[in-house]
This record gives sequence, C-alpha cells and structure tokens, in this order.
Amino acid sequence: SAVISQKPSRDICQRGTSLTIQCQVDSQVTMMFWYRQQPGQSLTLIATANQGSEATYESGFVIDKFPISRPNLTFSTLTVSNMSPEDSSIYLCSVEEAGGVPEAFFGQGTRLTVV
Amino acid sequence: AQRVTQPEKLLSVFKGAPVELKCNYSYSGSPELFWYVQYSRQRLQLLLRHISRESIKGFTADLNKGETSFHLKKPFAQEEDSAMYYCALTSGGYQKVTFGTGTKLQVIP
Repeated sequence: SAVISQKPSRDICQRGTSLTIQCQVDSQVTMMFWYRQQPGQSLTLIATANQGSEATYESGFVIDKFPISRPNLTFSTLTVSNMSPEDSSIYLCSVEEAGGVPEAFFGQGTRLTVV
Repeated sequence: AQRVTQPEKLLSVFKGAPVELKCNYSYSGSPELFWYVQYSRQRLQLLLRHISRESIKGFTADLNKGETSFHLKKPFAQEEDSAMYYCALTSGGYQKVTFGTGTKLQVIP
C-alpha cells in the first residue's frame, strides 16, 4: 500500500497570504488527487494532478486560486492562494494504486486555519 | 452526476448492539462502492469495497442495485468501532472518488 506524507500537518495563516502543501508518495503513482474537507462537511475533490500535464480542476475550483504542481510521479504540491477565512479546511492528498481494484490512499491531511 | 447520500450524521449504539450505517447512491452506470473509516487522530483509510465481498473487522456491506444502497453492517458493535464512516463511489478505474457526508458512529460502553 502507498504511504503518503503530507506537510505541513497544520498551519495558521494570515488572510491574503498563500500556503503550499506538499504531498510525497513512497511509490510512483499515475494519478494524484487533492481534496478539501470543510468543517462539518464531506470531502470535495479540488483537482486531479497527472504528471506531465496540467491539473484538471473540478467545478468551483480554479487554477489561480489553487495552483498545483506535479513535477514527477511521487510528488505534488497544492497552493492555496490569497487566503480568506473561508479557505479554512482540511486539505488531503490522495493517490490511487495500480492493482486488481484501484484503492485510494490518503495523506494525514493539512489543517489550515486562516485568520 | 454521481452522488452519495448518508442520511445520518450521528449514530449512537450500545456496545454489543447491531450497527447499520446507511448509504444510498445515484449513478447511471455500474459504480464501485467503498466504505472509508477515519478513527480519531488517524488518516482516512479504506475499510471495505463491494467488489471484494469481504468482511473487515466484522463489518460487511452488500451492494443492492435495485435499491441503490450499500449499507454497512456489523452484528455486534465494539467500542473501538467509534469513528467517522464515509461511503464512497467511483465510476471505476482511476476515477475520482465521490464521498458521502459521513456518519459518526458512537459506541456507548
């Protein structure tokens, strides 16, 4: 099973600033996903990041607000730009591993508080 | 569009009582259904998936295509089962996972 390291685990940021979240996987994976979990709500997919191509964003999420990098098959970053208190959430990195039935693995999440 | 509905935000049961966490889905094709669990201070992890027809930690879930349901069941709840449970759906292969809103299971000693 894939082991995902995500950092920082938490941060408190000033509004108007940006935060970059890193996701490191211990194996090469084709697809990486970034989710957001707002307080009291379920996980919502922000974007899918494939190595060598631009990320694909879900409805309601744009690249200017959530730029994503995917420089290789084991690493990705998500930046939350120009933050406001509404961006306070848990952000999770996820990967799917090859196999008979794809299984999603998750990082431990980044708890972001914007003040 | 695919959607997953978990009608209960909180489910409290006594230790030893049966547990059923409800999950309904909407999807036009043949979905793959999963249950994920998040224990306190731990990361989200896969509990079981319908395609494997397995029992994990005493939990089972049967996909009912007629009722578009994938309820999670356990005959006798244990305190260590207390956690957040998310039902999830994917359209197959390397596709995004759509999650339900989650149900917090609280097992009372």
